[in-house]
Amino acid sequence: GESVGLHLPTLSVQEGDNSIINCAYSNSASDYFIWYKQESGKGPQFIIDIRSNMDKRQGQRVTVLLNKTVKHLSLQIAATQPGDSAVYFCAENTGTASKLTFGTGTRLQVTL
Amino acid sequence: NAGVTQTPKFQVLKTGQSMTLQCAQDMNHEYMSWYRQDPGMGLRLIHYSVGAGITDQGEVPNGYNVSRSTTEDFPLRLLSAAPSQTSVYFCASSYSNNREGWFFGPGTRLTVL
Repeated sequence: GESVGLHLPTLSVQEGDNSIINCAYSNSASDYFIWYKQESGKGPQFIIDIRSNMDKRQGQRVTVLLNKTVKHLSLQIAATQPGDSAVYFCAENTGTASKLTFGTGTRLQVTL
Repeated sequence: NAGVTQTPKFQVLKTGQSMTLQCAQDMNHEYMSWYRQDPGMGLRLIHYSVGAGITDQGEVPNGYNVSRSTTEDFPLRLLSAAPSQTSVYFCASSYSNNREGWFFGPGTRLTVL
């Protein structure tokens, strides 16, 4: 796969533990946020999204928390598995949803 | 549905050559976008479209052209390739009301020598 994210921050967690990946977004007017997972050699894959009128949303094994006061977003992965190893990106969108602005990403490494 | 498809998967160009990266989606999405991804820099928006016949510039549009003659297709053209355009290119599409987020294609790895 491509050498994406050579200088990305890395989070190492043990299999079975919970993971928390953080993201600071830039635009206080952003009203829609998405977390993506990107495995080596593949395109970003949608994980979960949240609108600005919510502060928490849960999916299967994942939870997204939104703190608009400090412009902070987090992704929590429960019972992390080896298949969760990837680079995770947050993305923000403003208004008409015609485009997304991505953060730089965090690499999640799951150790056995 | 095939989702978002991109061709080619890999391409090597010489400086000054031109080429078109193809992107198609079969989900009847109104919104489509092109991103480039460089190491350590995340994804940066090149051009986007909110419907057939409508395109606009993103964060890094210089050196790239786009057109949207149909809902399904959104080709990205490099008129005169430069080494700085060596990158991985991703196409994405979405419904206009953010029902399900944006869907990305598998990417095209471009090297300009």
